[in-house]
Amino acid sequence: DAGVTQSPTHLIKTRGQQVTLRCSPKSGHDTVSWYQQALGQGPQFIFQYYEEEERQRGNFPDRFSGHQFPNYSSELNVNALLLGDSALYLCASSLGSGTGFQETQYFGPGTRLLVL
Amino acid sequence: AQSVTQLGSHVSVSEGALVLLRCNYSSSVPPYLFWYVQYPNQGLQLLLKYTSAATLVKGINGFEAEFKKSETSFHLTKPSAHMSDAAEYFCAVRNQAGTALIFGKGTTLSVSS
Repeated sequence: DAGVTQSPTHLIKTRGQQVTLRCSPKSGHDTVSWYQQALGQGPQFIFQYYEEEERQRGNFPDRFSGHQFPNYSSELNVNALLLGDSALYLCASSLGSGTGFQETQYFGPGTRLLVL
Repeated sequence: AQSVTQLGSHVSVSEGALVLLRCNYSSSVPPYLFWYVQYPNQGLQLLLKYTSAATLVKGINGFEAEFKKSETSFHLTKPSAHMSDAAEYFCAVRNQAGTALIFGKGTTLSVSS
């Protein structure tokens, strides 16, 4: 049973560019959440997708956007990259419900983004 | 609002010694609490979770945590440290909406022989 997978593993971009990160959830999971982990910090919640809709958003600007596909995979897009966007981006999947996730979030290995 | 505070950014123990990693939480509703471990250059792996059942929760790799409401604590322990336990440990609480995890800043555990 494949766990959560993310691509690419590493990425280098320059300021002002745009980036797309991808995530495939664990088999049977329908909910995907994205987190940003800056160096030396705990992960911070960006947003969660369920049934192809953004269910909730953390304290991140509109430059951060996402999408969920019918097969439950997801993309995270970041526009107009800033140096401060350099971080490990983690995707987590879970089994959703109508009122909130009832199951544990399982994390992928992450994509490390470096903005120069 | 929910939050967690991990006391001690770095804990060092000898192999075979007791491991104690401290986590205090703040929550306006009965909390769902988690401990995750992160090895270098990897994602997060769930160690254990508290979801209002038994207050003593057993996890993987010999770790356990005790939920103490009176102390608003959820400390992680392991009776005997192993070299392979060296990693970053994160305590987290589920947000009120049930959609996100709110993480502490993490504690780095070092194990010496």
